[in-house]
Amino acid sequence: LAKTTQPISMDSYEGQEVNITCSHNNIATNDYITWYQQFPSQGPRFIIQGYKTKVTNEVASLFIPADRKSSTLSLPRVSLSDTAVYYCLVGVGEKLTFGTGTRLTIIP
Amino acid sequence: KAGVTQTPRYLIKTRGQQVTLSCSPISGHRSVSWYQQTPGQGLQFLFEYFSETQRNKGNFPGRFSGRQFSNSRSEMNVSTLELGDSALYLCASSPRMEREQYFGPGTRLTVT
Repeated sequence: LAKTTQPISMDSYEGQEVNITCSHNNIATNDYITWYQQFPSQGPRFIIQGYKTKVTNEVASLFIPADRKSSTLSLPRVSLSDTAVYYCLVGVGEKLTFGTGTRLTIIP
Repeated sequence: KAGVTQTPRYLIKTRGQQVTLSCSPISGHRSVSWYQQTPGQGLQFLFEYFSETQRNKGNFPGRFSGRQFSNSRSEMNVSTLELGDSALYLCASSPRMEREQYFGPGTRLTVT
């Protein structure tokens, strides 16, 4: 079972780049790594997904080292609206495991 | 494209009763998954359906069940409700299994 570990919380100032790292030592060969954002009383929102190396979309980048035992979500130039809980998800099917999430607070 | 919809949004039930929650996935999505979210346990996977078949199941008792219809809409049922079943129940759809999921707003279930 691919269990994930993330920092419980992080603070950052507006305009800065934020990097959130997730550890997943038991990741399986066919597991994708997916990141979600969740605001209070809402369902998680898909941010980005990757399998190896680097993936970039319009909102974030995902860095995955060769051993795939960790991944880093990078949010460029954060704003107050990025204050949320960020989840790293690894696995498929019955192995789907959401970590405790990282509560990111953006300071004006 | 309309997002995932869930009904009802809020529900209050008494211990021992049963409840049925409904989920309509994004048009064209054939995979539907259900999750339970509580402050203590976080987000936990319940089950996943694809083409009307349960493909994966999390570690929940048999009181939790679900089904998927031919139009990909899904329902989950919880029988003999317990106080600990109070949670936000989230449905997510995906264009295919094992890839990114799109979540609905959830159904907030309170068991008294």
